[in-house]
Amino acid sequence: DTGVSQDPRHKITKRGQNVTFRCDPISEHNRLYWYRQTLGQGPEFLTYFQNEAQLEKSRLLSNRFSAERPKGSFSTLEIQRTEQGDSAMYLCASSRVRDTGELFFGEGSRLTVL
Amino acid sequence: GQNIDQPTEMTATEGAIVQINCTYQTSGFNGLFWYQQHAGEAPTFLSYNVLDGLEEKGRFSSFLSRSKGYSYLLLKELQMKDSASYLCAVRDPYFKLSFGAGTTVTVRA
Repeated sequence: DTGVSQDPRHKITKRGQNVTFRCDPISEHNRLYWYRQTLGQGPEFLTYFQNEAQLEKSRLLSNRFSAERPKGSFSTLEIQRTEQGDSAMYLCASSRVRDTGELFFGEGSRLTVL
Repeated sequence: GQNIDQPTEMTATEGAIVQINCTYQTSGFNGLFWYQQHAGEAPTFLSYNVLDGLEEKGRFSSFLSRSKGYSYLLLKELQMKDSASYLCAVRDPYFKLSFGAGTTVTVRA
């Protein structure tokens, strides 16, 4: 069990550029979640997957955001035409749908849009 | 959807007890979680309640009343390392977790 890993840990980009984040969940976990967190706030739900199926995408999320989990293992979150308001920590988490089903979080990918 | 409220900040003295309250309104309930998050780090799981009552885990306890939409996290024998943000989160029947804004606890010597 190597934990949830995210890459890159930090990304600085200019407004209008596209960025992609990768998340590798704990291997036996079938649920994968993406959250966004800004300073002083709790994690805000973006989307989640069960295996390769995307179950829900937040209504607050614009169509510039897209996520995939093509083989039910790692996931990518892409933000197109970034805006300064996209600056945040993007957290990935995974879980099993059994027992308590708690989420295990990665260290996050911090995005700064200039 | 979920509406989750918790105090923004609390301060307590080392060795003391602090209780963090959380109230929620939900369209579906499948468990309440507490997470701890140190500055600049990822949230880590502390406790889980799905039935009414108290769950005790060392210095930390969590209580749930589903009829009142209310939970609290009790931190006993506070240590400096307990200074962190504490996040209340509610899970819906589809295993989606929604978080409150977090309570920043500062432990003073």
